[in-house]
This record gives sequence, C-alpha cells and structure tokens, in this order.
Amino acid sequence: NAGVTQTPKFQVLKTGQSMTLQCAQDMNHEYMSWYRQDPGMGLRLIHYSVGAGITDQGEVPNGYNVSRSTTEDFPLRLLSAAPSQTSVYFCASSQPTGPGNTIYFGEGSWLTVV
Amino acid sequence: AQSVTQLGSHVSVSEGALVLLRCNYSSSVPPYLFWYVQYPNQGLQLLLKYTSAATLVKGINGFEAEFKKSETSFHLTKPSAHMSDAAEYFCAVHSRGGNNRLAFGKGNQVVVIP
Repeated sequence: NAGVTQTPKFQVLKTGQSMTLQCAQDMNHEYMSWYRQDPGMGLRLIHYSVGAGITDQGEVPNGYNVSRSTTEDFPLRLLSAAPSQTSVYFCASSQPTGPGNTIYFGEGSWLTVV
Repeated sequence: AQSVTQLGSHVSVSEGALVLLRCNYSSSVPPYLFWYVQYPNQGLQLLLKYTSAATLVKGINGFEAEFKKSETSFHLTKPSAHMSDAAEYFCAVHSRGGNNRLAFGKGNQVVVIP
C-alpha cells in the first residue's frame, strides 16, 4: 500500500535554483493538494487540484507552480528558489467531498534554500 | 471561511497525567473536524475525525475528542499520557459542500515528562 509518495525527502537548493517536488498517489483520488509547514504556523495550503487538468491557488501560492496532467501525479515546481521557501512540504490526496473523507498525507519533503 | 484555533504552542504533561489539547473552530456551516498527529520527522497521521455521527469520537492510541456545537469546540483528550505521545498535534476543519480544503490550527507540541 504505497498511498501518497513524495520525492525527494530531503533537498538543499541554492537561491535562484529551480526544482520539482514529486507527488504520486495510487488510490485514484481526484483531489490532491500541497501544503507547507513552518514552525508555529501549522500547515498552509499552497495549491490544490480537484481533478486532472484543474488546479487552483491556496493560501500561499506565490513562488510555486503546479500542473495535473494525470490523476496520479501532482508535482510542485519552485521556479526560482528563495530562502523563504525553506520549509517542510506535504502532499495530500482524498476523494471528492463526502462525509468527512479522510485526507491522506505523504511523509513530507524537507527543503532548505541557502 | 472556516478556521481553527489551538492555544498554547507547547504543552507539557507528566507521564500518566491527562492530556488535554483544545481546539475551537469557526465555520459557517456544520463542519468536519479532524485531529492529526505528527511524530518527529514524519508525516501526518489521522488520529480521529468528526463527521456528525456520535459527538464523542474515539481515535487511535487511546485518544478521543468531543464535538460541542454550543462551544464550537473539538478538544482532544487522553486519560493517561505515555512517553510515546510526545509529538505535534494539529486540529483541522473543512466545511461540508466544500472541496476538501483543510484549514489547520498552528499545532500543539506535546512534551511528556517522566
């Protein structure tokens, strides 16, 4: 049972570099999202998708791009990394809204921008 | 928009004592409410969720939470703390009829004192 898989788990970037955090789920979930976690801030929504080809911005979208070409994959792109993007990133997936459908999280990607 | 408030970023509890983590929510419609736990360097794991069935919800590892509409609260409790309960705990809400966008509280870091 793979669930939600994120790669890489750890990454160090230099300011201005670009990279993509990968997220894949094998549960055929329509809804996928990316959160960032910072100390004392909880988790904040970056971008989300309600199905292949459909994405939208969350609470803190600046500096990040997403696309959803397949149901399974939802990559998060940092086009020009900044130190403020040093954070732990979580990908999540779920079925569409239902009676409190459980949202499943990946194990996180620790990103440091120097 | 829905939101949750968790007071007290760090909570210290003696081993064997009651664990009480408070969560108050704000939502314009009856909410779904969740508690997640995050162990060091790991992802988020669902502890329990409220979906309008019983107001007292039992979760994993001996935790439970009670939904009180009159107090807009969903506090998490465990009668007797174990050392293994040391972790960060997040309360989260999303509204019915929405798109499974979770709003998280800022978290409680629980320290268990031997």
